[in-house]
Amino acid sequence: DAGITQSPRHKVTETGTPVTLRCHQTENHRYMYWYRQDPGHGLRLIHYSYGVKDTDKGEVSDGYSVSRSKTEDFLLTLESATSSQTSVYFCAISAYILSGELFFGEGSRLTVL
Amino acid sequence: KQEVTQIPAALSVPEGENLVLNCSFTDSAIYNLQWFRQDPGKGLTSLLLIQSSQREQTSGRLNASLDKSSGRSTLYIAASQPGDSATYLCAALMDSSYKLIFGSGTRLLVRP
Repeated sequence: DAGITQSPRHKVTETGTPVTLRCHQTENHRYMYWYRQDPGHGLRLIHYSYGVKDTDKGEVSDGYSVSRSKTEDFLLTLESATSSQTSVYFCAISAYILSGELFFGEGSRLTVL
Repeated sequence: KQEVTQIPAALSVPEGENLVLNCSFTDSAIYNLQWFRQDPGKGLTSLLLIQSSQREQTSGRLNASLDKSSGRSTLYIAASQPGDSATYLCAALMDSSYKLIFGSGTRLLVRP
């Protein structure tokens, strides 16, 4: 299994509070991604990173920010959580952008009350 | 709009049956296509990755094919087992946007 660790795995928070999800990899892969998975919407890309300090937006980036200060860590921050951000968040990594296999973490379930 | 479609949404088969899961995509300019398995409450596990230059990939009882001209990929599972019960998703990298587009998945139940 690819060495991907997400934390926390479960979190319940209140509307308006900041939340940070962490993804840590031990594979030294260049590319890292944050997805959210929701019933009826499938998996949607939030943000991705193509190197340290290099990030870009995905299709549902509003309300989210990311940072990557080290190859192994990719943080997803919800500055002010809303109920619409209740979801399961998955981190993924790949070694190559066009030919690389994508490996996923176990997910972080976030509930915003 | 680039889309990936998986039909059927759910499938129930008796143990031992051979089965085919379908995945269609709207853009023939595909870089690769990947099949995943997802168990309830778990992350996605990569099963097979097919590059655009390849026609098929095999791993054990699984065989995935890619036909760019028709915009289709199939995942063939031979001699299905109850342990194969899961949701199967395909995802296509269809242009230079560096983003995989996922299908909504096929939920498979293999009955003992």
